[in-house]
Amino acid sequence: GQQVMQIPQYQHVQEGEDFTTYCNSSTTLSNIQWYKQRPGGHPVFLIQLVKSGEVKKQKRLTFQFGEAKKNSSLHITATQTTDVGTYFCAGRSSGSARQLTFGSGTQLTVLP
Amino acid sequence: EAQVTQNPRYLITVTGKKLTVTCSQNMNHEYMSWYRQDPGLGLRQIYYSMNVEVTDKGDVPEGYKVSRKEKRNFPLILESPSPNQTSLYFCASSFSGGELHTQYFGPGTRLTVL
Repeated sequence: GQQVMQIPQYQHVQEGEDFTTYCNSSTTLSNIQWYKQRPGGHPVFLIQLVKSGEVKKQKRLTFQFGEAKKNSSLHITATQTTDVGTYFCAGRSSGSARQLTFGSGTQLTVLP
Repeated sequence: EAQVTQNPRYLITVTGKKLTVTCSQNMNHEYMSWYRQDPGLGLRQIYYSMNVEVTDKGDVPEGYKVSRKEKRNFPLILESPSPNQTSLYFCASSFSGGELHTQYFGPGTRLTVL
């Protein structure tokens, strides 16, 4: 079945440093979504990428979808303590529009 | 307020004692889904429902049952819980199961099976 690998599993950064998390899928994806889960909270949708090579920005967050639609990244510039949480990617395989497979997540700690 | 609600939020039970976790959404969403979250494994889909009376297995359906008799409700049933079902459970819903629709998650239910 479809697998979505996400790295790193943990990342500690000093406030103001940049942060990047990467997702790789074993199959071509029709789209990929990113979610953020604060400690003790539930996943909250951030963004969706659909097109090959797509790049989207939300303030300090930059999301990319690979040309082959098998990988994606989330980059945060100049992290803040409010960025703390676990970031998940979730992809839909081209062959199965109904199932969303989540990566294992990257837990971000921002040290003040 | 648009939301997905789950009850109970916390539950401690014993092996073999049947339990139900309720999930309800007020957004008139067609698609609903259950996930479990375990450390290092991310979110794994248990079951999903495309619409009323339409359900299907996700990646880890063993030991779980669901039903979708009404559009707004999607209960998760553990007929005979075992300790390996100790986990954090999330219900989610979206407008449809199509690829362009995001999922809204409930607050989670932390289940411990002794």
